[in-house]
Amino acid sequence: GAGVSQSPRYKVAKRGQDVALRCDPISGHVSLFWYQQALGQGPEFLTYFQNEAQLDKSGLPSDRFFAERPEGSVSTLKIQRTQQEDSAVYLCASSLESTEQFFGPGTRLTVL
Amino acid sequence: AQSVTQLDSQVPVFEEAPVELRCNYSSSVSVYLFWYVQYPNQGLQLLLKYLSGSTLVKGINGFEAEFNKSQTSFHLRKPSVHISDTAEYFCAVKLGGGKLIFGQGTELSVKP
Repeated sequence: GAGVSQSPRYKVAKRGQDVALRCDPISGHVSLFWYQQALGQGPEFLTYFQNEAQLDKSGLPSDRFFAERPEGSVSTLKIQRTQQEDSAVYLCASSLESTEQFFGPGTRLTVL
Repeated sequence: AQSVTQLDSQVPVFEEAPVELRCNYSSSVSVYLFWYVQYPNQGLQLLLKYLSGSTLVKGINGFEAEFNKSQTSFHLRKPSVHISDTAEYFCAVKLGGGKLIFGQGTELSVKP
């Protein structure tokens, strides 16, 4: 079956541009997570959805970051007015139960 | 706050040799523990998990880990590594709500 997919796989943005990163979770998975992985670091939690409800957004680094999952399936992570420090790999994960998370391949964002 | 420490950032080892990747966590409550592997330009793949029960957990690709509550450790081991095991390995602890806290990662480099 299909795993978690993310698009685009690579995104180059000029500083100040807005970007939108998409995540398609495994069908039927209730929970969806976003993580940010800086170069040479472990992933860091950004936000978490259960169905369409955003239950935890404590990891979003600033109000320039916004995530949504309006129909409880596909999710979009939006970054407004991108800065160089936003350059990272953004990972999406989904889970059916609250134990194992299945990760997508990530979107590598480079802000010039 | 919960934290995960991976004691070695890089571990070079020769093919067919045994390897141990060390992980310590801080927690005052029961935890769920995970090891993930990340190959270049890919997302994270679950190697194994500890939820409860036996402290020796076996995972995919011949890896195993032992949960030690008194030492708050969850070290990953493999008795004989292959070139294909070259990758980044991440230890993680699951918090309430499902978000994962990751360590900084250990780069395993298997040499012929």
